[in-house]
Amino acid sequence: SAVISQKPSRDICQRGTSLTIQCQVDSQVTMMFWYRQQPGQSLTLIATANQGSEATYESGFVIDKFPISRPNLTFSTLTVSNMSPEDSSIYLCSVERLGRGIYPRKYNEQFFGPGTRLTVL
Amino acid sequence: QKEVEQNSGPLSVPEGAIASLNCTYSDRVSQSFFWYRQYSGKSPELIMSIYSNGDKEDGRFTAQLNKASQYVSLLIRDSQPSDSATYLCAVIYSGGGADGLTFGKGTHLIIQP
Repeated sequence: SAVISQKPSRDICQRGTSLTIQCQVDSQVTMMFWYRQQPGQSLTLIATANQGSEATYESGFVIDKFPISRPNLTFSTLTVSNMSPEDSSIYLCSVERLGRGIYPRKYNEQFFGPGTRLTVL
Repeated sequence: QKEVEQNSGPLSVPEGAIASLNCTYSDRVSQSFFWYRQYSGKSPELIMSIYSNGDKEDGRFTAQLNKASQYVSLLIRDSQPSDSATYLCAVIYSGGGADGLTFGKGTHLIIQP
């Protein structure tokens, strides 16, 4: 599986500010994803980031709040804008490894980075 | 609404026994199913993927899929204290395109020495 790193690993931010989280992969991948894990909760998909196109956001997440960049096949950023305490979460990026076979998209194993723990005061 | 349901536990199993984790999903067109293990303070780690009805074995882990019943399970044989973690069931609901994972809330497993 790919080696995935995220920066920063954690941060404490003030209300109303913005934080950009970086995700770096050691090999080229087509699809990258951003998830949020709120305290004591499971993971929720924020958006899918495809190189060369606009990110696709899930219901409840908007580009103005969570702008995403995907400038190349090994890197993506997620910005959490105008933060409030409700944005305190762990933010994780993941990458997709395609399987083999006639319908490769069916075998969409995803591997996660170490996460960024964000606390908003 | 696409849903993945798991019993949150905690599920307590004695060391050496079989741990059985269960998951149901709501969308019949789902084709890809995954089990992740998450230790406290760590990110999820993929341990099993399954796509066809039946059983899939990998070491001490067996994933079972029954699409007619919309049911996925994970069996852990010879449970070890190091297996104590939260196990997340995840589903991809679309068979094509680039789709993210929908996760259940996870089952907290405790292996008692």
